[in-house]
Amino acid sequence: KNQVEQSPQSLIILEGKNCTLQCNYTVSPFSNLRWYKQDTGRGPVSLTIMTFSENTKSNGRYTATLDADTKQSSLHITASQLSDSASYICVVRDQTGANNLFFGTGTRLTVIP
Amino acid sequence: DTAVSQTPKYLVTQMGNDKSIKCEQNLGHDTMYWYKQDSKKFLKIMFSYNNKELIINETVPNRFSPKSPDKAHLNLHINSLELGDSAVYFCASSPGQGARLEAFFGQGTRLTVV
Repeated sequence: KNQVEQSPQSLIILEGKNCTLQCNYTVSPFSNLRWYKQDTGRGPVSLTIMTFSENTKSNGRYTATLDADTKQSSLHITASQLSDSASYICVVRDQTGANNLFFGTGTRLTVIP
Repeated sequence: DTAVSQTPKYLVTQMGNDKSIKCEQNLGHDTMYWYKQDSKKFLKIMFSYNNKELIINETVPNRFSPKSPDKAHLNLHINSLELGDSAVYFCASSPGQGARLEAFFGQGTRLTVV
């Protein structure tokens, strides 16, 4: 069964601190993995995309890693800012003809001053 | 210059009513989607349209029907609304079906059935 699980479910950190969000998936055959940021009341916005051959990718203060062997990904946020408060969703696409998207339940990050 | 826009943003209605949510994208994309986000914030795909043809139809009740008058629009019609339909519905679009193509999401429509 294709699944995407994220941890932790919620996280509260102080402004300026770093944090790491985890994503484990069982989707097969694997095509790519995206991390989305969803602000309250808004639609998700893509942060990074990673394919099978990519181990790490950065987008500003966001760094995503992918271990395709263990089927794990992480999103590391450096020097957090109040505006980082949002839900972060891991989305895995399979390689079937339908290119199905499998969404994780997200991690709710709250950055406090 | 909103890329994917949905209306209304909020919708409160009684059980048994029929309602529609509109979605428009000005990105020239070929594929549009409808997602349902439940109370646990889990996003689940409902429909996908590519060049006006339904290509994905997940196991949603047939009370839900997508209507695409043209490539830039994909509206969601819901008949005989039930309490369990309360959720946030997101419209999205992508340039096509390519695996690396990003889906761009609208801001969501919060539907509350009372």
